[in-house]
Amino acid sequence: DTAVSQTPKYLVTQMGNDKSIKCEQNLGHDTMYWYKQDSKKFLKIMFSYNNKELIINETVPNRFSPKSPDKAHLNLHINSLELGDSAVYFCASSQVLGPSGANVLTFGAGSRLTVL
Amino acid sequence: EDQVTQSPEALRLQEGESSSLNCSYTVSGLRGLFWYRQDPGKGPEFLFTLYSAGEEKEKERLKATLTKKESFLHITAPKPEDSATYLCAVESVNKFYFGSGTKLNVKP
Repeated sequence: DTAVSQTPKYLVTQMGNDKSIKCEQNLGHDTMYWYKQDSKKFLKIMFSYNNKELIINETVPNRFSPKSPDKAHLNLHINSLELGDSAVYFCASSQVLGPSGANVLTFGAGSRLTVL
Repeated sequence: EDQVTQSPEALRLQEGESSSLNCSYTVSGLRGLFWYRQDPGKGPEFLFTLYSAGEEKEKERLKATLTKKESFLHITAPKPEDSATYLCAVESVNKFYFGSGTKLNVKP
């Protein structure tokens, strides 16, 4: 009954390869995200989708391509992997809470990508 | 420029030794300030949302407060199971900004 699940949990690959990470949420949330957490623990938003539509697209190399087949799924495909892509990638979904319209995020367990 | 700064980076406490974690922020159009807890190898877990200056929220040994420039997470009589990284985040219009966290270690 995991709320936000992402696979795989670990991914080790060579430079230049292409890889994908999948994410699914069963919370009924309309908005999903991909975050990157670097070695210093900073969480940086990459993409956000609301009901299958891209609403946030931060300055991310176009080697990264998100895809949302439906509002419960958001996948991340990475082409031509580079050493600097090594990080933990978190999927999240959110619901609006409170009077100001703030979004409370529910995160997956993360996918640790290591590029050799 | 919108940003979130947390201090200290790391904090070691003895069990029962109360302390506070700080989150300073500059953001235009604050929708909410959030505290998350992150355990090793896991995703951040939501603790609190604060919406306006003066607001306070409590949960067990944790209490979060908010002013116009910063938030504090007070930990009263911590236990070893409170050991984790505590992340602060702010939301403005459609954007989230996370701090780098405070790694808390509570020794028995």
